[in-house]
Amino acid sequence: GQQLNQSPQSMFIQEGEDVSMNCTSSSIFNTWLWYKQEPGEGPVLLIALYKAGELTSNGRLTAQFGITRKDSFLNISASIPSDVGIYFCAGYNNNDMRFGAGTRLTVKP
Amino acid sequence: KAGVTQTPRYLIKTRGQQVTLSCSPISGHRSVSWYQQTPGQGLQFLFEYFSETQRNKGNFPGRFSGRQFSNSRSEMNVSTLELGDSALYLCASSLEAGLPYEQYFGPGTRLTVT
Repeated sequence: GQQLNQSPQSMFIQEGEDVSMNCTSSSIFNTWLWYKQEPGEGPVLLIALYKAGELTSNGRLTAQFGITRKDSFLNISASIPSDVGIYFCAGYNNNDMRFGAGTRLTVKP
Repeated sequence: KAGVTQTPRYLIKTRGQQVTLSCSPISGHRSVSWYQQTPGQGLQFLFEYFSETQRNKGNFPGRFSGRQFSNSRSEMNVSTLELGDSALYLCASSLEAGLPYEQYFGPGTRLTVT
C-alpha cells in the first residue's frame, strides 16, 4: 500500500538549532505517531496524536495533528547530539498502519 | 521488566531457502505485530497476532506467514526466500490488539538473502 510522504529525507544541523519535519498523506488517518530509531534498535514511540488540530509536546519535541487529518508535523527545539537518529511518522486508521520513509537527523556539536 | 526480544539478531540465507524468526513479547503483552523494514520500501506492516489468532494482515505474499503460541511468543516464517526479502524484520508487542500507539519494538532480525 501507499506509504506516507515524509520530508526532508535528511537534515544536517548544528547543536542548538531547531528542527522541523513533516508527513503528508492522500488518505485520512485517525491517529498520527512519531518514532525515533537509532542504529541497531527498533523504533521508539515519541509522540501519539489522536485528534485533528491536536498539539502535543514531549520535552523538546512538539508534534501536531493536521486539521485535514492528512498531515502531521514534528518539531525539535534546541537540538542536542543525542537527537541523532531516524525519525519516522506513522498514520493509523482502522487496522491500517502506514509509515513515512524517515528523516535522518545529524547534529553537529 | 525485559523488553521485546528477537532471535536471531542476524541471519544469512540463500535464495529458495526458508527462514523462521522468533519474537518474545514483553511479559503480559498479548499482541505481537511484525514489520519489514527496507531502505527502498521503508517500514511495512506484515501481520498482527492476538491470542494465537492472526488479527490483521498487510499486503505481503503468502510466502510470509506467522503464528503465535499460548505464551504469546510469536514466530514468523518466510518460505522460498527471494533476494528482495533481505530486510530488517521488526517485532512489536502491546498489551491488547489494535493499539499501535502502545507498541514496543524489538531490536529486529537482520536477514540477508544471497
